[in-house]
Order: sequence, then C-alpha cells, then structure tokens
Amino acid sequence: ETGVTQTPRHLVMGMTNKKSLKCEQHLGHNAMYWYKQSAKKPLELMFVYNFKEQTENNSVPSRFSPECPNSSHLFLHLHTLQPEDSALYLCASSQETGTISTDTQYFGPGTRLTVL
Amino acid sequence: KNQVEQSPQSLIILEGKNCTLQCNYTVSPFSNLRWYKQDTGRGPVSLTIMTFSENTKSNGRYTATLDADTKQSSLHITASQLSDSASYICVVGPREANNLFFGTGTRLTVIP
Repeated sequence: ETGVTQTPRHLVMGMTNKKSLKCEQHLGHNAMYWYKQSAKKPLELMFVYNFKEQTENNSVPSRFSPECPNSSHLFLHLHTLQPEDSALYLCASSQETGTISTDTQYFGPGTRLTVL
Repeated sequence: KNQVEQSPQSLIILEGKNCTLQCNYTVSPFSNLRWYKQDTGRGPVSLTIMTFSENTKSNGRYTATLDADTKQSSLHITASQLSDSASYICVVGPREANNLFFGTGTRLTVIP
C-alpha cells in the first residue's frame, strides 16, 4: 500500500444528495491533491493543498468543495452533482513543497463515484 | 489536443513475452517524465522518473527510455508476468508551470 487511504471506496448518490469523500495520508507529507479520472480521459487535477492552504483550483465547479483541516486529511464535499461527474476520484500526497511538476506523488486507491 | 499521447491504447501479450509502450509529448520546456502503473481499482504507482538529462531508467523488469530531442519516451517490459496486467500512464512535468500533463494510458493485458 502507498500510505494514502480513501473512504468510501465506492459511492452511489442521487443528484440531490450531499456526500463527502475522505482521504488520509500516513506519510508525513505536506501537500495533498484531488484528481478526477474519467474513462478514456487523462487524469484531471482538481485541487492542491500545501500546508493546509489551497494553492490550486483548476476551474472546478462549485458543486465540489474541498476541505483540508490538517496536513494529513483532505475531504471533498459533494452536492447537487450531475451524472457526468461519475468517475474515479483519486487523492494523492507529496513530501515536498507542493510543486506539482517535480514532486513525487503517492496516490490512494480512489473512490468510484456513480451519480444517478 | 492532449500534450501527452500514448500508444497503443490497449495491448494483449502472452506471459513471458516482452513489450514496449510509447509516449509522445509536446510539453515544452520540459522538466521530467514519469511512468505510472495503475492496477484495476487502485491508484497509480510510480515506476520510473527521468529528468530531461537522463535517457534511461530501470526498475526491475521495467526500463524507460527518453529522447528529449524527439520528445518521445518508451516503457519496455521484459519477460511479462500476469501481474503486469494494468494501465500504464505517462506523465510529463513542465519546467515553467506548476502542473502535470497526463496521457490517457495504455491498457496492458498479459494472458497465460
């Protein structure tokens, strides 16, 4: 295992539901990331947190709301999602400064989200 | 157009055979190139990382090569095993932007 855990592993929700994804890293890293992985598409970086501060938000719709209470935990709050939001949501962490282009990222197993 | 293109999209090989996966990129200027392995239902795991000054890097039966002049990389898998069945993703880090560019991956299936 990589030292990054995600819960739940699978989630099915309706468009009117509110749910949260959780990520925890046990590696002592300073930076954490949310990615979206859709079928036959490249990974899409959603959010970056460096020392609990959000440093990147790649034009993600407001129905996705991240929260980073400390450097070990990262949440993704979901509300009024659309069916096209169905995807694998991956969390990652890195040791260094949150410089995305050079840090080595360690990924969690992902949460498979289905929006009905 | 994606700045990282991988080929083939999918590949089926017999156990014990070798194979080579390709990655072409247009990211410039470029800092590093990584290959990740992603098993079904898992997150990606780093196999190799090469900077622009390196042209080969090995990790067990996996050998990555890089030609920064032609902007091409390959991942060669030797003596394939059933556990090599996975998606292999090429990722390029630019030198002057805080971002990563991901390929869509090659889905490798090793059959007995």
